[in-house]
Amino acid sequence: GAGVSQSPRYKVTKRGQDVTLRCDPISSHATLYWYQQALGQGPEFLTYFNYEAQPDKSGLPSDRFSAERPEGSISTLTIQRTEQRDSAMYRCASSLGGVQETQYFGPGTRLLVL
Amino acid sequence: AQSVTQLDSQVPVFEEAPVELRCNYSSSVSVYLFWYVQYPNQGLQLLLKYLSGSTLVKGINGFEAEFNKSQTSFHLRKPSVHISDTAEYFCAVSNRNKLVFGAGTILRVKS
Repeated sequence: GAGVSQSPRYKVTKRGQDVTLRCDPISSHATLYWYQQALGQGPEFLTYFNYEAQPDKSGLPSDRFSAERPEGSISTLTIQRTEQRDSAMYRCASSLGGVQETQYFGPGTRLLVL
Repeated sequence: AQSVTQLDSQVPVFEEAPVELRCNYSSSVSVYLFWYVQYPNQGLQLLLKYLSGSTLVKGINGFEAEFNKSQTSFHLRKPSVHISDTAEYFCAVSNRNKLVFGAGTILRVKS
């Protein structure tokens, strides 16, 4: 596609529910990143993929968070048993590969856990 | 581990005035440095990046930044700002295969 898209744009859920966020990267991009951005803060790295491989998931806050990219294109981020502290903007970015490459960001998904 | 400090959370400035947004980083190894801009309700967009070579980097929309290794800084500058430059600006440093972002600086341009 023309850019990175994310869905839904907004998600309100109740504590304890599971949520799944979707990211559709630029089609030619090998690398896909997930970030969490709290209000008033910069994006914080969660995990990334090279095609379908997930070399680094060190930023995932707990085992309630998981991500996958089974066919090396679309990715999902799932948060199980959501907690209020999970409320944040979740951003996805894609790039051609390598940290020196420009990352193209989607508009984000705003998650609110009540 | 690398970290980024953006010294100003908000910078108010009048239209057509110059502006500098400050960024300092901590790292014991060679790094790549980036400035991203976030307009309201949009994703982050790359302004410029330093990978190697000339320490003065020019980006989009008239912005430039200077890499200073001895001071571990990468300040962003623009000689004359427009109302449309009102946005949040993020400095970032590479750390292995990922970026570490600062907390951001909100630039408010007033007429």
